[in-house]
Amino acid sequence: DSGVTQTPKHLITATGQRVTLRCSPRSGDLSVYWYQQSLDQGLQFLIQYYNGEERAKGNILERFSAQQFPDLHSELNLSSLELGDSALYFCASSAQRLAGGTDTQYFGPGTRLTVL
Amino acid sequence: DQQVKQNSPSLSVQEGRISILNCDYTNSMFDYFLWYKKYPAEGPTFLISISSIKDKNEDGRFTVFLNKSAKHLSLHIVPSQPGDSAVYFCAAREYNFNKFYFGSGTKLNVKP
Repeated sequence: DSGVTQTPKHLITATGQRVTLRCSPRSGDLSVYWYQQSLDQGLQFLIQYYNGEERAKGNILERFSAQQFPDLHSELNLSSLELGDSALYFCASSAQRLAGGTDTQYFGPGTRLTVL
Repeated sequence: DQQVKQNSPSLSVQEGRISILNCDYTNSMFDYFLWYKKYPAEGPTFLISISSIKDKNEDGRFTVFLNKSAKHLSLHIVPSQPGDSAVYFCAAREYNFNKFYFGSGTKLNVKP
């Protein structure tokens, strides 16, 4: 158990809909990262938040957005869903005390999103 | 544009032998490299890392080698155990942007 929780575990929805994925980081971790893993592919970095502020942005679509709340949990919002958005979405957290520090990222179990 | 590549989708090794997993990258701005292990239905688990200022890092049965001139990273597992059977991802961080790039993974099967 990494200490990172993600809800829901599974999500099935239709094209055009909007969903929200939730992540609670490990106690004390200030950084949250979101990744997408499509079928048989590696993890694609989407976005990172540090203590409520956006820190880094990867290949995140404009239809997707994220935020980190004062209690440090984070939400990833996916809207106007398309079939190709079906994937595993992972959240990871790290302490990230120093910019560029070598903190380990601890991953949650993921949310499997299926768009029909 | 994949900046981190794992060209071997799978690898099969006999228990007790060495497993060598390879990873190539293209971005010279990567300053930190990591290996993760992933079991089905679980998130990736951190295994070992190496800074770009080093060429080797060892942790028990796991050793990561970095060849910066070749932009090549490898993970050695000695001796391999059946419990090591999993998908292994290499990852790299682009320092200036704090972005992480992952390879597509190599599925390791250690046969008893």
